[in-house]
Amino acid sequence: DIQMTQSPSSLSASVGDRVTITCRASQGIRNYLAWYQQKPGKVPELLIYAASTLQSGVPSRFSGSGSGTDFTLTISGLQPEDVATYYCQNYDSAPRTFGQGTKVEIK
Amino acid sequence: QVQLVQSGAEVKKPGASVKVSCKASGYSFTDYYLHWVRQAPGQGLEWMAWINPDNGDRKCAQEFQDRVTLTRDTSITTIYMELRTLRSDDTAIYYCARGSPMGDRHPSDHWGQGTLVTVSS
Repeated sequence: DIQMTQSPSSLSASVGDRVTITCRASQGIRNYLAWYQQKPGKVPELLIYAASTLQSGVPSRFSGSGSGTDFTLTISGLQPEDVATYYCQNYDSAPRTFGQGTKVEIK
Repeated sequence: QVQLVQSGAEVKKPGASVKVSCKASGYSFTDYYLHWVRQAPGQGLEWMAWINPDNGDRKCAQEFQDRVTLTRDTSITTIYMELRTLRSDDTAIYYCARGSPMGDRHPSDHWGQGTLVTVSS
């Protein structure tokens, strides 16, 4: 099975900061990488798919990059409404493993 | 609009079984895979399985293969996930989520509201 490893597990940043979360796959998954945002008490929402394509309606301050085994989610200008846990997911093959999550808080 | 509506919360004793349903609407039911994902309290997301609503093909994560049964009823556009021999660590919110269209790869773009399953003696 492909393992997905995210870092950091949590971070605290100020409003307006640039935030970067990384996700590493234990083997290549081409660009079949998704990012989800889960706000406290809410259902996960798809943010980015195909490593870098923004889901409809997602603010442009979110961006993704990477291919193969190394991927990045960037928030350019953190906003209070971005407080959430972010998960990456491999969807190249089953099991469609998730990373362990990165909790983002406002400093 | 695409909607996935799940059955209500359940409380079960250890060793029992639970069956969670997920009714899909707003799109062609047999054109997309459907997945089950769970989340234990305070923990991350755990992918469990997918089902092809068109032909019933299914695949489970290895840790669930012996305890999970996936079924579907195309007449009412509903899928079911039965988890047997429940343990306390099966306490979680169980989500269904729409996955790839047939013949393509796509992550889960629509999710059900979640079903809380509590396992307690």
